[in-house]
Amino acid sequence: QKEVEQNSGPLSVPEGAIASLNCTYSDRGSQSFFWYRQYSGKSPELIMFIYSNGDKEDGRFTAQLNKASQYVSLLIRDSQPSDSATYLCAASGAGSYQLTFGKGTKLSVIP
Amino acid sequence: NAGVTQTPKFQVLKTGQSMTLQCAQDMNHNSMYWYRQDPGMGLRLIYYSASEGTTDKGEVPNGYNVSRLNKREFSLRLESAAPSQTSVYFCASSIQGAQRNGYTFGSGTRLTVV
Repeated sequence: QKEVEQNSGPLSVPEGAIASLNCTYSDRGSQSFFWYRQYSGKSPELIMFIYSNGDKEDGRFTAQLNKASQYVSLLIRDSQPSDSATYLCAASGAGSYQLTFGKGTKLSVIP
Repeated sequence: NAGVTQTPKFQVLKTGQSMTLQCAQDMNHNSMYWYRQDPGMGLRLIYYSASEGTTDKGEVPNGYNVSRLNKREFSLRLESAAPSQTSVYFCASSIQGAQRNGYTFGSGTRLTVV
């Protein structure tokens, strides 16, 4: 059974701080990793994806991947109240049509 | 550009009733998916269609059927609804598979079975 694990939270950070969201995965064959943001009552929205070990930066967001440790993280710099949402981590294997999702981490940014 | 459109947005069914959830995408994507999202369970794949003319079971297919009507449309049918099928249903699409680009999701259908 392929699994993606996330701490459900809630994770509370003050406005302007760095929020760190973590994810582990069980399938060593996983090759692509995605972070989705989901506001309450809305659909998931893709914010970052990463394929290679190391860091990938996009604006205030940095995704980090360590395949040896089977660990993926998302850093949000200068957190804003509008970043308050549930963040879903997802993994996909080579040539796969399926994304396996974690249950999500709820982030709350306190003004 | 509408992206992925799902209808209806809300539905209440009685146990044993049937219904079809509709999904259409206008992004010329080849692959389409149906997920359900339940509190504490996360997103779980029901069925997917890798390309027009093909469908495959996902993690939780029991009680559901699907039809890939054409490249744009992928419907999900509940033949005899059960309270356990109360959930939020998301349709998604991708260019081809999930590996390179992830999915684009529709806005969801909130289904209650009483």
